[in-house]
Amino acid sequence: DQQVKQNSPSLSVQEGRISILNCDYTNSMFDYFLWYKKYPAEGPTFLISISSIKDKNEDGRFTVFLNKSAKHLSLHIVPSQPGDSAVYFCAASAGAQKLVFGQGTRLTINP
Amino acid sequence: DTAVSQTPKYLVTQMGNDKSIKCEQNLGHDTMYWYKQDSKKFLKIMFSYNNKELIINETVPNRFSPKSPDKAHLNLHINSLELGDSAVYFCASSPPGSDTQYFGPGTRLTVL
Repeated sequence: DQQVKQNSPSLSVQEGRISILNCDYTNSMFDYFLWYKKYPAEGPTFLISISSIKDKNEDGRFTVFLNKSAKHLSLHIVPSQPGDSAVYFCAASAGAQKLVFGQGTRLTINP
Repeated sequence: DTAVSQTPKYLVTQMGNDKSIKCEQNLGHDTMYWYKQDSKKFLKIMFSYNNKELIINETVPNRFSPKSPDKAHLNLHINSLELGDSAVYFCASSPPGSDTQYFGPGTRLTVL
């Protein structure tokens, strides 16, 4: 029972353009959502989060959008840079500090 | 000054052996976690401890036993290792009242 899904295993974007990573969830009790970035042989690094009371949160080049009615969130990276090439995980929480992760999307930024 | 550290980074062992993975955080957080990333790359929570007390135990075989000597350390001991235990194990921690978790670099366990 996969409660958090990232349906695109990979995404390729040209440097300087916008990268959009998508995530869908099924559990309506989730009230906090996070994006993590992971390089090979390293642990996931926290990137940005959003509470269910908001529909947008921005931090520099990174913006997360939340559509509660569609149970969908997305991460926008603009402009994309070569260092953004990594695997991105979406995660959700219904409280109790328990995160449920998606399976990740590998983002490749091409020069 | 690593925030969440794990040792060892790589662990190769035979089936049936017992092994431990150590985790330490210097962030002053009071909740720590163990996650398993399997061959399909899913990250799944195994345990969480808050101030040395077990909070979450996610249907993990009792061959896995976490131990928290203090709130800065959470170790994972695995008895009678099986082939299916091969995975990357991540430790994480979070501050009080926050769902944002900070991860260690991972330990790749290979059981032969």
